[in-house]
Amino acid sequence: AQRVTQPEKLLSVFKGAPVELKCNYSYSGSPELFWYVQYSRQRLQLLLRHISRESIKGFTADLNKGETSFHLKKPFAQEEDSAMYYCALSTGRRALTFGSGTRLQVQP
Amino acid sequence: GAGVSQSPSNKVTEKGKDVELRCDPISGHTALYWYRQRLGQGLEFLIYFQGNSAPDKSGLPSDRFSAERTGESVSTLTIQRTQQEDSAVYLCASSTRTGVNTEAFFGQGTRLTVV
Repeated sequence: AQRVTQPEKLLSVFKGAPVELKCNYSYSGSPELFWYVQYSRQRLQLLLRHISRESIKGFTADLNKGETSFHLKKPFAQEEDSAMYYCALSTGRRALTFGSGTRLQVQP
Repeated sequence: GAGVSQSPSNKVTEKGKDVELRCDPISGHTALYWYRQRLGQGLEFLIYFQGNSAPDKSGLPSDRFSAERTGESVSTLTIQRTQQEDSAVYLCASSTRTGVNTEAFFGQGTRLTVV
């Protein structure tokens, strides 16, 4: 069975501090990993996907198959980064499996 | 339309009544998903439709829940004899297909409150 774990419900940092949102997954094959974000009063939207190896809004995430992790990182947090972040996994055969989410609060 | 549309945006119903939630996916999207988001919790998969294949209903929590989709158009999620634990935001998403590197586009959700 596929599973996504986000161990932190809430992560609070000060503006300018580094941020790391943790995500671990379990799946025996080769999954596709995503990060979705939900800003206040907005709909859930894609932030980035591992296959693109892109940096979006200063965020990056590296797939570590050995540790089965896909942590989201940003070197300097901004107040506008405050949101709910969801890690998601796709195996190509089923709907996306989401983690429980981490609320990021960036304080001024 | 420009995005995934869900209706109603809010629904308050009495315990024991049936409710029907509607999702209009993005035109041309063959895959459609329903998720439930309880207060303070993550997204719980309910059901997904992919083209003309049999839907994956493995996430439906009980036989009170059902969903239909005609072709690649509108989907309705029906909850019969609603219970208070059904209170949640119900999210619909669609994508061009289920597969590698496929982005899911979400609706704004329907907030269901069972009183």
